[in-house]
Amino acid sequence: EAAVTQSPRSKVAVTGGKVTLSCHQTNNHDYMYWYRQDTGHGLRLIHYSYVADSTEKGDIPDGYKASRPSQENFSLILELASLSQTAVYFCASSEWDSSGNTLYFGEGSRLIVV
Amino acid sequence: GQQVKQSSPSLTVQEGGISILNCDYENDMFDYFAWYKKYPDNSPTLLISVRSNVDKREDGRLTVFLNKSGKHFSLHITASQPEDTAVYLCAADRQGGSAKLIFGEGTKLTVSS
Repeated sequence: EAAVTQSPRSKVAVTGGKVTLSCHQTNNHDYMYWYRQDTGHGLRLIHYSYVADSTEKGDIPDGYKASRPSQENFSLILELASLSQTAVYFCASSEWDSSGNTLYFGEGSRLIVV
Repeated sequence: GQQVKQSSPSLTVQEGGISILNCDYENDMFDYFAWYKKYPDNSPTLLISVRSNVDKREDGRLTVFLNKSGKHFSLHITASQPEDTAVYLCAADRQGGSAKLIFGEGTKLTVSS
């Protein structure tokens, strides 16, 4: 049973519109992340959170907001979607343990902005 | 700048051969290093990881080598198989820091039969 689930899995949005990507985890992890995947760029960190009601900027936060209303839920918000935000977005959860910081990813959300 | 870099976007290896994937990093505070595997239209999954207190870790056909002085780590896959064909992402992090796992750009490995 998937422990990190994302919705929607796929979306077409119009330029200037608002988009909300949602993520839910049942891993009981403190850390949650939003990455975007682009060809040639691997995974780039947009926002992350280590506790409910608090979010941190990642490496490419411009044009994105994040919300962590509870330990289980983490949303990525595009207030004014732009063509350059067409990408696949991955949510993940993690927790440091003796073996390190293992991330568990959701299935991804494919966003196309037209 | 890119803190974690994979300089080879692609690599082709014959079935049965050794695949060597390389990764360089800039931040000498990183103390956790990992390799993730990603199939098309799937999410990344952890393959193998190593902490900075060891130079090498083996797991079956996989070996991670860590060269701290050179800020470099690599993944060796022996007896490469067609099902190893995927994108491999290296990543690094710092315990006690902000827990931001930073990924490289990825290397597309193709194992030809």
